[in-house]
Amino acid sequence: SQTIHQWPATLVQPVGSPLSLECTVEGTSNPNLYWYRQAAGRGLQLLFYSVGIGQISSEVPQNLSASRPQDRQFILSSKKLLLSDSGFYLCAWSASRGHEEKLFFGSGTQLSVL
Amino acid sequence: AQSVAQPEDQVNVAEGNPLTVKCTYSVSGNPYLFWYVQYPNRGLQFLLKYITGDNLVKGSYGFEAEFNKSQTSFHLKKPSALVSDSALYFCAVRPMDSNYQLIWGAGTKLIIKP
Repeated sequence: SQTIHQWPATLVQPVGSPLSLECTVEGTSNPNLYWYRQAAGRGLQLLFYSVGIGQISSEVPQNLSASRPQDRQFILSSKKLLLSDSGFYLCAWSASRGHEEKLFFGSGTQLSVL
Repeated sequence: AQSVAQPEDQVNVAEGNPLTVKCTYSVSGNPYLFWYVQYPNRGLQFLLKYITGDNLVKGSYGFEAEFNKSQTSFHLKKPSALVSDSALYFCAVRPMDSNYQLIWGAGTKLIIKP
């Protein structure tokens, strides 16, 4: 069966420090991969999505970047964190068959920038 | 602009009573419709989806949703609520011509009281 791993679960970082959040998917190949941010336990904002290795689409211009070095690995990064980067970050995947496919979410990373 | 509305920030229901969580949308064409649930400090879990066909869709944990094209609604329902149903519920819509972008509602907090 397919599983998604996202780590770390919580992270406290000072302003100006770098960030690297990692997400891996097992049990499937060529998944679509997504990074979302959830503010204050509510609305979801799509940050990046990827349909293949090295293919990254950004939905919102900001202080963050994403990379997909391997088929089932998706990394969210920042060179210098801002206070406004605090939030709950969720990685997700879907099958690449079509737009009707559901999303499978990781357990999330709570990022606090101080 | 395309949008999804969950008009109730919070819904309170007594255990054993029926529950409804409302969702209306404004998108072009015939979209795909989804409901997801989020338990505290966790990622989202898929509940059900409407693609085409029967307007009543059955999903996980005894939930169902009714698609109403004329009212552009996709309300989530359950005949008898459980305390364990208490969580945050998200409606999401994917236009058929989207670039993998889901349009998310702001979420409805469902509280089931014993």
